[in-house]
Amino acid sequence: GNSVTQMEGPVTLSEEAFLTINCTYTATGYPSLFWYVQYPGEGLQLLLKATKADDKGSNKGFEATYRKETTSFHLEKGSVQVSDSAVYFCALSGEGGSEKLVFGKGTKLTVNP
Amino acid sequence: NAGVTQTPKFRVLKTGQSMTLLCAQDMNHEYMYWYRQDPGMGLRLIHYSVGEGTTAKGEVPDGYNVSRLKKQNFLLGLESAAPSQTSVYFCASTRSSRSGNTIYFGEGSWLTVV
Repeated sequence: GNSVTQMEGPVTLSEEAFLTINCTYTATGYPSLFWYVQYPGEGLQLLLKATKADDKGSNKGFEATYRKETTSFHLEKGSVQVSDSAVYFCALSGEGGSEKLVFGKGTKLTVNP
Repeated sequence: NAGVTQTPKFRVLKTGQSMTLLCAQDMNHEYMYWYRQDPGMGLRLIHYSVGEGTTAKGEVPDGYNVSRLKKQNFLLGLESAAPSQTSVYFCASTRSSRSGNTIYFGEGSWLTVV
């Protein structure tokens, strides 16, 4: 079945540092890939997504590129801020219906001033 | 713009009690989901629905029942709560089965079973 493996945290960075959170997946066919963010005490919000190979999703300075050859969708940001402190989830939904999302276990990011 | 609304937000139950979590969406979405979130486990799908009157089991359905009598509502029931069901529950919805559609989440319901 479909699965997502993401880098386990926690990750602690200083403000303006470069961020990478690794995500790899196992799926048949051509899934869609997502990054969701969960701020403390809140629900999940879509951060970015990519629906086909070589697509780059981007939002709020975050980027991730759908790499089918390496089955990866790594999240990057060039300069993190304290407000980026949150838990980040990589997820995929399989092609062909029902749109069930399969999530990674989440990576907690803390950015210190 | 309410989006996906869950009630209640917090609840403490005694072992063996029953309760229902209500999810309501105002986006006319066909698909609705219930997930639970546990430390180190990510989110796991409990049950889902692909339209009014339909339900299906997800990854961890045991101990839960669901109903989708109206398109906008998706209820999650615990008939006899157990401490293992202490968790944060998230409802979500999306428009259709088209791959890549954004799935919208509620703010979560924190349930403690003592």
